[in-house]
Amino acid sequence: AQTVTQSQPEMSVQEAETVTLSCTYDTSESDYYLFWYKQPPSRQMILVIRQEAYKQQNATENRFSVNFQKAAKSFSLKISDSQLGDAAMYFCALREPGNQGGKLIFGQGTELSVKP
Amino acid sequence: GAGVSQSPRYKVAKRGQDVALRCDPISGHVSLFWYQQALGQGPEFLTYFQNEAQLDKSGLPSDRFFAERPEGSVSTLKIQRTQQEDSAVYLCASSALRGRTRAYEQYFGPGTRLTVT
Repeated sequence: AQTVTQSQPEMSVQEAETVTLSCTYDTSESDYYLFWYKQPPSRQMILVIRQEAYKQQNATENRFSVNFQKAAKSFSLKISDSQLGDAAMYFCALREPGNQGGKLIFGQGTELSVKP
Repeated sequence: GAGVSQSPRYKVAKRGQDVALRCDPISGHVSLFWYQQALGQGPEFLTYFQNEAQLDKSGLPSDRFFAERPEGSVSTLKIQRTQQEDSAVYLCASSALRGRTRAYEQYFGPGTRLTVT
C-alpha cells in the first residue's frame, strides 16, 4: 500500500530565510505524481507545487522548489525568502495514475511558523 | 462559480442525528472527491465520482456513510446516526481529470467542520 510520511510535525523559520520540509513515500509504481499542498488556518487547501515522477528535473514555482530523489523515495520542499504569509500546514501527497480517478494519499502534515 | 463551494461551513450534530454535507464542484469538472480530515491530521480519502458514477468508495469508514452525485455536478455526503468519532473536517475536491495519464490538479473547497456532541 502506498504511504506518505512527514516526520516534522512543526517547523519554524525566520522571515526572509530558507526552510526545507521533508517527505518520504512508498509506492510500488514507477509512474506517479507528488504534490505539496498548503492549508492556511482558513482550511482552503492550495496546491503549491507538483512533480511528475518520470521527470528528472526538480520542479520550481517562484520561491518554492522541490528536491525529488526517486531512488530514495524522498520529496522535500524548499521555501526561499520565507514570508509571513507562508505560515500554514503543509501536506505532501502522492497520486498513482492507476488508482481510479487519482485519489491523493496525504502525509500527516508539517506546521510551518514564520517569525518576523 | 469560481471555485469549489461547500455548505454548511460548520455543523453541530447530536450523537445519533443524520447530517448531509453539500459540495458544489467547479462547473464542468468531471471528477469529484470527498476526504475526511481529523484534527491535526492529513486528509484521508473517502470516495470518488466520475460524473454521476461512484467509482471508488473504499474509504468510507462504515455503512453509515453514503455519498451521491445524481446529476454529475453537486454531491452530497450523508452520515447517518452520527457518532463522536465522525467529528472532523470534510473536504470536497474536484478536477477535470478524464484519463489516467495526466495529473490534473484537484481543487479543494473550504470544508465542512462537523462536530458531534
